[in-house]
Amino acid sequence: AQTVTQSQPEMSVQEAETVTLSCTYDTSENNYYLFWYKQPPSRQMILVIRQEAYKQQNATENRFSVNFQKAAKSFSLKISDSQLGDTAMYFCAMNYGGATNKLIFGTGTLLAVQP
Amino acid sequence: DAGVIQSPRHEVTEMGQEVTLRCKPISGHDYLFWYRQTMMRGLELLIYFNNNVPIDDSGMPEDRFSAKMPNASFSTLKIQPSEPRDSAVYFCASSWGLAGGDTQYFGPGTRLTVL
Repeated sequence: AQTVTQSQPEMSVQEAETVTLSCTYDTSENNYYLFWYKQPPSRQMILVIRQEAYKQQNATENRFSVNFQKAAKSFSLKISDSQLGDTAMYFCAMNYGGATNKLIFGTGTLLAVQP
Repeated sequence: DAGVIQSPRHEVTEMGQEVTLRCKPISGHDYLFWYRQTMMRGLELLIYFNNNVPIDDSGMPEDRFSAKMPNASFSTLKIQPSEPRDSAVYFCASSWGLAGGDTQYFGPGTRLTVL
């Protein structure tokens, strides 16, 4: 069975510092995609970053980057220069791959950025 | 583009009543997804459509739940009769196509409270 695990229910970081959120997953597929979504207090689910499993290069979007370790089935999110607006719940997700676009989500990590 | 639109944003109803949630996907997206988010179960996929046809409804909790997509720009999720345990945030999401990595774009969600 495919699973996504986020072992950090809550994290806190000081403004301008760097924080890393952990995610591990399990799948028997070779072709799959990994995502990080952000859910601020407004409740809107916002895509932060996306990684194709067949690409070795780690994805980067401005202050957000991932450390994708395929053999270890690890997909962590690094937020640099944290800002107050980064305060949100962060969900790691994986699609089932192949001819489907179903997503399976982790339980989320609540990140609080402190001033 | 206006993004995925959901209505209502909040719904409060009494047990036994019929509830209808509505979604307008992003124009041109072929896939539409309905998710439910609760504290206990996290984000769960209920059903998804491809070109207005239901593809996988294995996540629909029971017969009280039904979903339709009469055309490419409109979908409904209906609960009849509603129960207090149906209280949750319901999200609609859409994506372009079949490829597993196509990003899903989420609506703002409908917070349902069943008294």
